[in-house]
Amino acid sequence: QQQVKQSPQSLIVQKGGISIINCAYENTAFDYFPWYQQFPGKGPALLIAIRPDVSEKKEGRFTISFNKSAKQFSLHIMDSQPGDSATYFCAAPYTLTFGKGTMLLVSP
Amino acid sequence: DVKVTQSSRYLVKRTGEKVFLECVQDMDHENMFWYRQDPGLGLRLIYFSYDVKMKEKGDIPEGYSVSREKKERFSLILESASTNQTSMYLCASSFYVTNTGELFFGEGSRLTVL
Repeated sequence: QQQVKQSPQSLIVQKGGISIINCAYENTAFDYFPWYQQFPGKGPALLIAIRPDVSEKKEGRFTISFNKSAKQFSLHIMDSQPGDSATYFCAAPYTLTFGKGTMLLVSP
Repeated sequence: DVKVTQSSRYLVKRTGEKVFLECVQDMDHENMFWYRQDPGLGLRLIYFSYDVKMKEKGDIPEGYSVSREKKERFSLILESASTNQTSMYLCASSFYVTNTGELFFGEGSRLTVL
């Protein structure tokens, strides 16, 4: 059973554009929502995470937003750069499970 | 700087061989994990350990076993490798067992079984 459902599977964005990746969850007990970033040949690394006491958290060009009523949290990458090209995973707390990943390609 | 080190980046083995994948962390974490990563399937948990000599099955434990004799070291064992175990294997460690905190991953071991 998939604890988190991530979309889209892949995404191509022009340099300078906004990349948006979504993650839907069912378990309303979840209280920690992380996004991981994985570059080719490397392991995933925590990029940004949010707890539901806030609706949005921003770190540089990366923003995570949380919509409790829709049971969804999203990653926004503003002013996307070719160096952001990577695979992004959301994760579900308490279950040690991850979404299936989104391959982002930012074209120059 | 925190570090999870996987001893082999690339391995090629034959069907039926016994395979050991080693992982060492230097963060004094209680919890360690083994995942496999396949295109379109994401990261799937094989086994995890929350203490020395303790282990718990993840979502896909069949065909695998693990060993944790020391806190810093967690080994994944394929008793008799099969071609469907060709994959990228990722080790991780964490202060939290429930994934409510950061998981630190190694760079992965890419295993090919012929």
